[in-house]
Amino acid sequence: GQNIDQPTEMTATEGAIVQINCTYQTSGFNGLFWYQQHAGEAPTFLSYNVLDGLEEKGRFSSFLSRSKGYSYLLLKELQMKDSASYLCAVMDSNYQLIWGAGTKLIIKP
Amino acid sequence: ETGVTQTPRHLVMGMTNKKSLKCEQHLGHNAMYWYKQSAKKPLELMFVYNFKEQTENNSVPSRFSPECPNSSHLFLHLHTLQPEDSALYLCASSQSPGGSPETQYFGPGTRLLVL
Repeated sequence: GQNIDQPTEMTATEGAIVQINCTYQTSGFNGLFWYQQHAGEAPTFLSYNVLDGLEEKGRFSSFLSRSKGYSYLLLKELQMKDSASYLCAVMDSNYQLIWGAGTKLIIKP
Repeated sequence: ETGVTQTPRHLVMGMTNKKSLKCEQHLGHNAMYWYKQSAKKPLELMFVYNFKEQTENNSVPSRFSPECPNSSHLFLHLHTLQPEDSALYLCASSQSPGGSPETQYFGPGTRLLVL
């Protein structure tokens, strides 16, 4: 079966750095997406990785290791507005997105 | 901000009611999706439409009936739902229907409560 695992909840301090991990087992691989979802709002696209390595986009970076079936989202200089759920999704061989259950990130002052 | 809108944002209905959810995308995309999001569970893909044609039905009960009159509009007709159908229903769109990795853009969802 296909499976995406990510922690249910994480807590971090404003101004700090946090890393949200995602491991996956899927039928084929056509890239990994990270989305941010604030409570009651639409998931919004953050990043897409298809090759191994680190992609940096401002305060957010995303890393992929295809051989390990592993990705992480790194958030730097955390702000209160970063409190949200972060969804990991893998595009399988049929170009369908397989989703994790999301990681709720709580930022404390 | 989002190019995908959904109405209503909130809906409470009884098990014998009939209601419809509406989604509209202003992005010029060709594919539209319905997802169900339950608390602490992964998003569940329900239906996919490519160029107005349904290409995916992930074993969704017949009490959910999708309709796609054109590439910009998508409806989900609801009939005799069960309390376990209470969830957030998300609509999404993407440029291409498949065969390449395309980013999906989501609407804000309809929070549905079935009593």
